Amino acid sequence: SAVISQKPSRDICQRGTSLTIQCQVDSQVTMMFWYRQQPGQSLTLIATANQGSEATYESGFVIDKFPISRPNLTFSTLTVSNMSPEDSSIYLCSVHGRQQNTEAFFGQGTRLTVV
Amino acid sequence: SQKIEQNSEALNIQEGKTATLTCNYTNYSPAYLQWYRQDPGRGPVFLLLIRENEKEKRKERLKVTFDTTLKQSLFHITASQPADSATYLCALRARAYSGAGSYQLTFGKGTKLSVIP
Repeated sequence: SAVISQKPSRDICQRGTSLTIQCQVDSQVTMMFWYRQQPGQSLTLIATANQGSEATYESGFVIDKFPISRPNLTFSTLTVSNMSPEDSSIYLCSVHGRQQNTEAFFGQGTRLTVV
Repeated sequence: SQKIEQNSEALNIQEGKTATLTCNYTNYSPAYLQWYRQDPGRGPVFLLLIRENEKEKRKERLKVTFDTTLKQSLFHITASQPADSATYLCALRARAYSGAGSYQLTFGKGTKLSVIP
């Protein structure tokens, strides 16, 4: 299992600013995942963060908008840049094993409101 | 395109009854299907995993079925309690290794279950 600490838990930000979300895992993991959960919608994968290499972004998400850092095997950050109200959402970090039969563990999420 | 549908956004049920939630998928051939629980202000928490060649899986008051012919999973909570009130998400684990180096996990929108005392 894994325990994930994510912060901040919530924030209200001005349009045009940036917010960096931190995710700390209690064990070393190869991959960390960042999801977005918009109201009434499913979790959507933003990107996969591997230590020592650039993050892999899913269709519709770009590095300029959502830069990710992965400085070591227990920590990652996601920045939401140049925010607009459409970025208001819950952002979640997650870890799971490489194999298909492993479950995912999630942080508590960051509820972001852009005004 | 690939799609995961959970039968309803919300389900209300009387305490003590069995709650049944449905997850349907199209254009998928998942090797595994998982169910998660999400409480307000929290991240999802894993409940159960079932393989494609398993018909049924149980854990305490929870039961999951997986019908790959119907492309459907049913999630049952027997003797439901108000503490079971939460949003329940189904998730499919892809059969193919993705370019990101993992078997991607894709979620449905969830069903919000309310158990009424």
